[in-house]
Amino acid sequence: EIVLTQSPGTLSLSPGERATLSCKASQSVSSNYLAWYQQKPGQAPRLLIYGASNRATGIPDRFRGSGSGTDFTLTVSRLQPEDFAVYYCQQYGTSLLTFGGGTKVEIK
Amino acid sequence: QVQLVQSGAEVKKPGSSVKISCKASGGSFSSYAISWVRQVSGQGLEWMGGIMPIFGTTNYTQKFQGRVTIVADASTSTAYMELRSLRSEDTAVYYCARDALGYINTYNYFNSWGQGTLVTVSS
Repeated sequence: EIVLTQSPGTLSLSPGERATLSCKASQSVSSNYLAWYQQKPGQAPRLLIYGASNRATGIPDRFRGSGSGTDFTLTVSRLQPEDFAVYYCQQYGTSLLTFGGGTKVEIK
Repeated sequence: QVQLVQSGAEVKKPGSSVKISCKASGGSFSSYAISWVRQVSGQGLEWMGGIMPIFGTTNYTQKFQGRVTIVADASTSTAYMELRSLRSEDTAVYYCARDALGYINTYNYFNSWGQGTLVTVSS
């Protein structure tokens, strides 16, 4: 099982600032099969990024995914009020899908 | 884009079973895998397993093997997840999610999610 560790647990930032979220895998993620989701309270997760760096349909270009192997990053270039949420990474490089524990981006 | 609509909240006794439905509308039902993901209150997401209707196969994580059954009814475009021998630790929101990639024999990432079903296990 690939364990995904996200850091930090909580990120306190102001609107307009840049958010940098980390997702580290316990072993290399095959073909960089890593996705990122955003989840707001009371809502289902929403797909942001797949294949480590590909934005899903309708996702603004302020969201950028990068990384490879075991180290992945989600960057939100200029936080908008609607971006304050919890973010999860998920790997699909093995038959056992796993998620990271999440990073909460909160308003400072 | 496909819409997934799940059945409503359930309250169950320990030791009982729950069966949740997930009805898809729009798009091809059988060609895409449906997974079930659970989320304990305030915690992260956990993949339980899934079904690939087009191949007629199911996959369950070891944690839930033997306690969960996932089936799909193509005639109604509905997937079901049954969890048995419920315990208090199973209290969670259960989501169905559709794979973004169709016609392939792997589980991938999810671009459509149901609204979630809260299952409360309490005596």
